[in-house]
Amino acid sequence: AQKITQTQPGMFVQEKEAVTLDCTYDTSDQSYGLFWYKQPSSGEMIFLIYQGSYDEQNATEGRYSLNFQKARKSANLVISASQLGDSAMYFCAMREPYSSNSGYALNFGKGTSLLVTP
Amino acid sequence: DAGVTQSPTHLIKTRGQQVTLRCSPKSGHDTVSWYQQALGQGPQFIFQYYEEEERQRGNFPDRFSGHQFPNYSSELNVNALLLGDSALYLCASSLEGTEKLFFGSGTQLSVL
Repeated sequence: AQKITQTQPGMFVQEKEAVTLDCTYDTSDQSYGLFWYKQPSSGEMIFLIYQGSYDEQNATEGRYSLNFQKARKSANLVISASQLGDSAMYFCAMREPYSSNSGYALNFGKGTSLLVTP
Repeated sequence: DAGVTQSPTHLIKTRGQQVTLRCSPKSGHDTVSWYQQALGQGPQFIFQYYEEEERQRGNFPDRFSGHQFPNYSSELNVNALLLGDSALYLCASSLEGTEKLFFGSGTQLSVL
């Protein structure tokens, strides 16, 4: 079963505008971690932001913030003041609790392609 | 400070052949994970190595095997290649106990 759902295959945003990329997740665990990665055409996955399930404050990293709504199981990425260099694939991922058989893997969504236009 | 480095960057093989991909983790990292990313999909977890042992494995057949060396570098081996093995193979490293994974740029494998 898909644990991470990204419903937006592609998004457009104008330079300097803010954009929200959606992510919903499915888990029955209380302790988990949520991540966002950026993948430019070079292929490298670049870490953007992390939110722990027990973190009370929404995570922020520079122009990136994570809108964490635990009851709705959503972890949307907000990029403020978009730049042309933000054009890339964006992936949401989840890590479930460490156990003898799991917890070390990240489960990724299918990604959202973001295009920033001048 | 070098990040995660992978070699080769591109590889072309034919069905039935065997391939070895290599990964050097970021300096100071002791854990290496491998992911397969098919075209248009998110990465899928293959396995993770820590202290030279496979600690966790994803839903991949035994044709996929790996190794971690004392210097923390790692290899991914795939035997009896299938057309469906064509993908970008990503290596990620981390420091045990921390959350952030650092990824390399990947090896693009094409199986003909």
